[in-house]
Amino acid sequence: AQSVSQHNHHVILSEAASLELGCNYSYGGTVNLFWYVQYPGQHLQLLLKYFSGDPLVKGIKGFEAEFIKSKFSFNLRKPSVQWSDTAEYFCAVNRNNAGNMLTFGGGTRLMVKP
Amino acid sequence: ETGVTQSPTHLIKTRGQQVTLRCSSQSGHNTVSWYQQALGQGPQFIFQYYREEENGRGNFPPRFSGLQFPNYSSELNVNALELDDSALYLCASSVRASSDNEQFFGPGTRLTVL
Repeated sequence: AQSVSQHNHHVILSEAASLELGCNYSYGGTVNLFWYVQYPGQHLQLLLKYFSGDPLVKGIKGFEAEFIKSKFSFNLRKPSVQWSDTAEYFCAVNRNNAGNMLTFGGGTRLMVKP
Repeated sequence: ETGVTQSPTHLIKTRGQQVTLRCSSQSGHNTVSWYQQALGQGPQFIFQYYREEENGRGNFPPRFSGLQFPNYSSELNVNALELDDSALYLCASSVRASSDNEQFFGPGTRLTVL
């Protein structure tokens, strides 16, 4: 079965620190990859997505992610976090032949200290 | 905010009861997916409806059922509620049931089963 692993469950950073959240998936075929963010009290929002092309994807709010096919990874990065980035982050994978059913990782709760 | 709305916001039921959750998709979207998000976990795919028919199902028992209406709104029905059904239920809509289509999530319905 396809699975998505997010190894960091909780991350605490100070403002201006760099962020990298890990995401690995187990499916070997063609996949589409997503990062979603859930701010406190708000709905899930799409940060960025990868379908094809340049494996380095730029998203909103200064986030980026790199797809490394050989490592089955899609790690999320931000050079300098802000207090407003405090949220829960979810990696999600969709197989190309599975409609748009998403398989989510368990999430990483990020707290940024001011 | 997306154009996806869900009702009710919160719901408390007891074991064995039945519940119906509702979702209105974003304008122009004809596909609705339902996800269950247990506390501290990532969302898990329940099923998807496209053109009023079930178009994929996750690992959930038959007591989880759904409907999609001609206006593309949707219902999730859960029979014989169990304590483990307590979760946030998310609805997501998209333009079509295709892997390259972004899903837009609603705010969710928090169900508590006592």
